[in-house]
Amino acid sequence: QKEVEQDPGPLSVPEGAIVSLNCTYSNSAFQYFMWYRQYSRKGPELLMYTYSSGNKEDGRFTAQVDKSSKYISLFIRDSQPSDSATYLCAMIRGADGLTFGKGTHLIIQP
Amino acid sequence: DAGVIQSPRHEVTEMGQEVTLRCKPISGHDYLFWYRQTMMRGLELLIYFNNNVPIDDSGMPEDRFSAKMPNASFSTLKIQPSEPRDSAVYFCASSPTSGRTSKLFFGEGSRLTVL
Repeated sequence: QKEVEQDPGPLSVPEGAIVSLNCTYSNSAFQYFMWYRQYSRKGPELLMYTYSSGNKEDGRFTAQVDKSSKYISLFIRDSQPSDSATYLCAMIRGADGLTFGKGTHLIIQP
Repeated sequence: DAGVIQSPRHEVTEMGQEVTLRCKPISGHDYLFWYRQTMMRGLELLIYFNNNVPIDDSGMPEDRFSAKMPNASFSTLKIQPSEPRDSAVYFCASSPTSGRTSKLFFGEGSRLTVL
């Protein structure tokens, strides 16, 4: 079983829809959780960062962590064509570097 | 401010050739990371440095790969000899503090194709 599982998609939704992106993980030692966004032929950029279970909101984006279920989510409200990108979850345990999911390719149709 | 700068952006080479990828981190960042991204395996951490010292190279796939950071503003990732399975996008990232709680700033990547 991989440490971090993420559906690669593609996930295609119409503009204005609510998008739900998810990751599951197997190691309960993961403590910090992040979402990175990667546009085509660019490097990933940090979008959201959370530590504790619960929700964190930033504009149209909400990150949700459920440590008991080992499940994290990213919600995008009022999705825009500019949100079309690959979204990678990432998490850290101890002093290790980031462990990334493979990413979900999201397409927002105008 | 300039971000993380990587060169070359694209490299096409033949099997057996030496490949050198270069990275200039953001000034003042103490941590530098090298990642490899493929469709099959996603983003994999190869090695990271703290204050120019290699801390964890357990992700380096084999002895053909080596990385150096001679000073705070420059790092190289070398593959010798290169093989077709090394074809991937290689990212350099820097961070002002440990990646544990800090934001990683990625470069735009070096796309390597080994024929």
